[in-house]
Amino acid sequence: GAVVSQHPSRVICKSGTSVKIECRSLDFQATTMFWYRQFPKQSLMLMATSNEGSKATYEQGVEKDKFLINHASLTLSTLTVTSAHPEDSSFYICSARPRALGGYTFGSGTRLTVV
Amino acid sequence: AQTVTQSQPEMSVQEAETVTLSCTYDTSESDYYLFWYKQPPSRQMILVIRQEAYKQQNATENRFSVNFQKAAKSFSLKISDSQLGDAAMYFCAYRSQGNLIFGKGTKLSVKP
Repeated sequence: GAVVSQHPSRVICKSGTSVKIECRSLDFQATTMFWYRQFPKQSLMLMATSNEGSKATYEQGVEKDKFLINHASLTLSTLTVTSAHPEDSSFYICSARPRALGGYTFGSGTRLTVV
Repeated sequence: AQTVTQSQPEMSVQEAETVTLSCTYDTSESDYYLFWYKQPPSRQMILVIRQEAYKQQNATENRFSVNFQKAAKSFSLKISDSQLGDAAMYFCAYRSQGNLIFGKGTKLSVKP
């Protein structure tokens, strides 16, 4: 089955630094990848959609300069949280949609803590 | 805009019993997909079941089945013979052209 690998699973960083999260599709090519944010005991909120070969589409209220998304290839998307602040602490999850399938496969998530 | 509503923040079921989780949605589209995802404590999102709106037959996956009422815009999940491993957050989700829209989730507890 389709597998999405997300790294790191946990990261702690200092305020003002940047953190990069990777999302890789291991056995399929992903034309579209999605980045979600999930606060404790809440649902997943879509942050942005990245498509191969084009710029990411950000949801309303998401700062594109703060959350840099790059869909470098058909198998890799990265989310960089720039100048991180404690309020950016959250659980970030990526999702990819295989070319030939209609379903979505999720990464295992990254717990970001900014101190 | 499409919305997904899960009106039950928490539910509880006795092991081996049956439980139904509710989900309603709002859309003006006619062609779409509906999903139920499970998120255990590991927080890995796991697809439980999906339903294509154009199919009248309710989807079934082993102990999991849905009651899809398109006119009422209702998509409930029934879990039969509940097991301890079913304890998790369950999210109902809607998809049309692109991304998934999630409900707020229902926390299911399974009592031994």
